[in-house]
Order: sequence, then structure tokens, then C-alpha cells
Amino acid sequence: KQEVTQIPAALSVPEGENLVLNCSFTDSAIYNLQWFRQDPGKGLTSLLLIQSSQREQTSGRLNASLDKSSGRSTLYIAASQPGDSATYLCAVGTGANNLFFGTGTRLTVIP
Amino acid sequence: DTAVSQTPKYLVTQMGNDKSIKCEQNLGHDTMYWYKQDSKKFLKIMFSYNNKELIINETVPNRFSPKSPDKAHLNLHINSLELGDSAVYFCASRRTGGTEAFFGQGTRLTVV
Repeated sequence: KQEVTQIPAALSVPEGENLVLNCSFTDSAIYNLQWFRQDPGKGLTSLLLIQSSQREQTSGRLNASLDKSSGRSTLYIAASQPGDSATYLCAVGTGANNLFFGTGTRLTVIP
Repeated sequence: DTAVSQTPKYLVTQMGNDKSIKCEQNLGHDTMYWYKQDSKKFLKIMFSYNNKELIINETVPNRFSPKSPDKAHLNLHINSLELGDSAVYFCASRRTGGTEAFFGQGTRLTVV
């Protein structure tokens, strides 16, 4: 059974810092990995999708990497801003119809 | 246009009642999901469904049942609601084969 873990559970950084969020998964037989953002009381917003054949994806200040063999992904956020404060979730797609979520990292960027 | 929409956004009901949450997607996706987000914010998959196969998480009580009138809709019906069913329920969809998943805004269910 696929298990997805995110470390740290919570992170607080001053504005302007670069930061890395970690995601690990137990079964390397994945189709893809997707990073989401969730604001309090809101739904999930997709940030980046990495297919299993890819090593990384970039969107603006965000860069996500994938090392399938070691069961790890990282989300790098450059020059953090208070608006980046949210919970970040990684989700692993295994098989055609399964999508398993990690436990989330709650990020606070202090102005 | 909202890609994945759920109704209602909030639902307060008494124990023992039967309720439904509706989900519609206009993305042409063939796979839809229901997730439950508990008080610790963990998202747990309940069902995944396409026009060929329903996959049920074995830990989901049989009081919960997905109903799909067509490919664009996957409703969640809950019988005999219990206090522990209080949570936020999310609907999602994607195209089979590992494409990007899109989520609805969630339905906050409160059982009193």
C-alpha cells in the first residue's frame, strides 16, 4: 500500500527566504506526482505535476523535483512571500485511478 | 467556468439523516474521486470511479455510496449520518492515465 509522508509538518520562515518542502513515498511504481496548495477553508489548487519519466518541473518561483527510485520529491520555493503561506500537499498517482496524499506541510511566511 | 463544482458548500444535518453531495466536472475527464479531509487536514481517498470501474477504499463504511448518472457527475450519498462523518468532502477529477487532477472547493459537512 502506498504511503506518502511530508516533512516538516510545519515551517515558519521570514519573507525572502528560499525553502524546500519534502515528500516521500513508499512505492516507487508511480505514474506521476502532483503538488497542491490549500488555503485555510478552501479547496486544493494544483501547483505542479511531474510525470514519472520527468525529473523536475518549474512554474515561476516554484520548482519541483522527482527522484522515483528513492521515493522522494521536493518543492523548492524561491524568495518566499507572505502570500505563499498555506498548506502544501503532495499527491502520488499510482495506477490509472489512484491518487494518494501526503500529510501536508503548513507554511507560514513572516513579513 | 468552474472546472469541478460541488454542492452544497456547507451542510448541517442531524444524526440519522440521509444526505447527498453533488459533484460535476466540465473538463471531459473520465475519472472522478471523493476524498474526506478530517480534522487533522489529512486527505483520505474514499472512492475512485470511471465508466469502467469503481474502486472503493475498504475502510469506507457501506453507508457511503457513490452514484454516477454520467461521466461528468459523481454524487456521494450518505445514509444514517453519524457524528464522526463530520468533515470536509472533496470531489476531484482527472483523465485516466495520470494527468493533472482538479479539485472542487469542498463541502463542509457537520452532523449534530
